Amino acid sequence: EVQLVESGGGLVQPGGSLRLSCAASGFTFNYAWMNWIRQAPGRGLEWVGRIKSKTDGETRDYAAPVRGRFTISRDDSKNTLFLQMNNLEAEDTAVYYCTTYRNSWFDQWGQGTLVTVSS
Amino acid sequence: LLTQSPATLSLSPGERATLSCRASQSVSSYLAWYLQKPGQAPRLLISDASNRATGISARFSGSGSGTDFTLTISSLEPEDFAVYYCQQRGHWPPTFGGGTKVEIK
Repeated sequence: EVQLVESGGGLVQPGGSLRLSCAASGFTFNYAWMNWIRQAPGRGLEWVGRIKSKTDGETRDYAAPVRGRFTISRDDSKNTLFLQMNNLEAEDTAVYYCTTYRNSWFDQWGQGTLVTVSS
Repeated sequence: LLTQSPATLSLSPGERATLSCRASQSVSSYLAWYLQKPGQAPRLLISDASNRATGISARFSGSGSGTDFTLTISSLEPEDFAVYYCQQRGHWPPTFGGGTKVEIK
């Protein structure tokens, strides 16, 4: 059974940093392309970014609002996905989900971790 | 841009639900539907416009191509009252519609 467990969310001041983690199990993580998707309170879904597998070059792509501030990385030895978020803004307040990317769709989702950016 | 309609659909259990998703430009068949229950993560229902994901009931069906897509729930069960999102990958970056809430009438 695929499991994705996010952690690392919390309250941070504007301009601050936070690092989210996503522990994966139940599938071959090192071959998987992984994504981060967020959902602001009471709002819809927004794709944040993705990272390809090492065998596919570990290429990273980001949504325009976070490019230059967020960095996605992975540790295949620990089956863990990361999202480093710097220079956080109030508009980054959201639940952050990690997802698998099977047949180019967001196939499996974690339960999410809440990030609140506020002074 | 994906536009979902209606924003809210009020129906009774056992009724048929028809949800619409319209793209501002053609996305071919690169469209998916997700269901999100309160306090839960979204779940993939339909991919490539009409393919049910693993374990999804046959009462869910998707249709359409190009710019107009439909998700049909043939007979609403109590657990189907939730928010539904469409998502396209025909143009980069992937984007989601604003959602349709299916509520109990």
